Amino acid sequence: DSGVTQTPKHLITATGQRVTLRCSPRSGDLSVYWYQQSLDQGLQFLIQYYNGEERAKGNILERFSAQQFPDLHSELNLSSLELGDSALYFCASSGIGLAGTDTQYFGPGTRLTVL
Amino acid sequence: TQLLEQSPQFLSIQEGENLTVYCNSSSVFSSLQWYRQEPGEGPVLLVTVVTGGEVKKLKRLTFQFGDARKDSSLHITAAQPGDTGLYLCAGVGRDSNYQLIWGAGTKLIIKP
Repeated sequence: DSGVTQTPKHLITATGQRVTLRCSPRSGDLSVYWYQQSLDQGLQFLIQYYNGEERAKGNILERFSAQQFPDLHSELNLSSLELGDSALYFCASSGIGLAGTDTQYFGPGTRLTVL
Repeated sequence: TQLLEQSPQFLSIQEGENLTVYCNSSSVFSSLQWYRQEPGEGPVLLVTVVTGGEVKKLKRLTFQFGDARKDSSLHITAAQPGDTGLYLCAGVGRDSNYQLIWGAGTKLIIKP
């Protein structure tokens, strides 16, 4: 158990809909990362927050947005969903938010299926 | 754009065999990490290497960072079914704004 929680574990929805994925970081971690993983592929970095502020953006679509709240939990909002958005979405947290230096602890992921 | 290429993409071997997987780039990385991901779970960090030529061992797993810090390898001795999983390398490059650049992974299956 990494200490990072993600809800829901599974989500099935239809094209055009909007969903919200939730992540609670490990206790004491200030940084949250969001990743997308398509079937049996590597991770695509979406976005990083540090202590409530956006720190870095990766390949995040304009239809997607995220935020980190004062209690440090984070939400990833996906709108106008398309079939190609079906994937595993992982949240990771780390202490000081310096990738490659910090250890990123990953949650169990949310599997999104868009029909 | 800095890229990390992993090879092979897929490897299926018998228990007890040795194997090596590779993570290569044409760019220099300031550090490189290896993760293992099991089905239905998130990746778990195995090791971080930061110095060119560095070798780290984790039981039967040996990780090496290339002298020029452009490549890395993971060698598993006497593979066991518990080693089955997706092995991902990720590195911090000069132009990556301190974000990890991820390889596509090597899917490893160890048959009993």
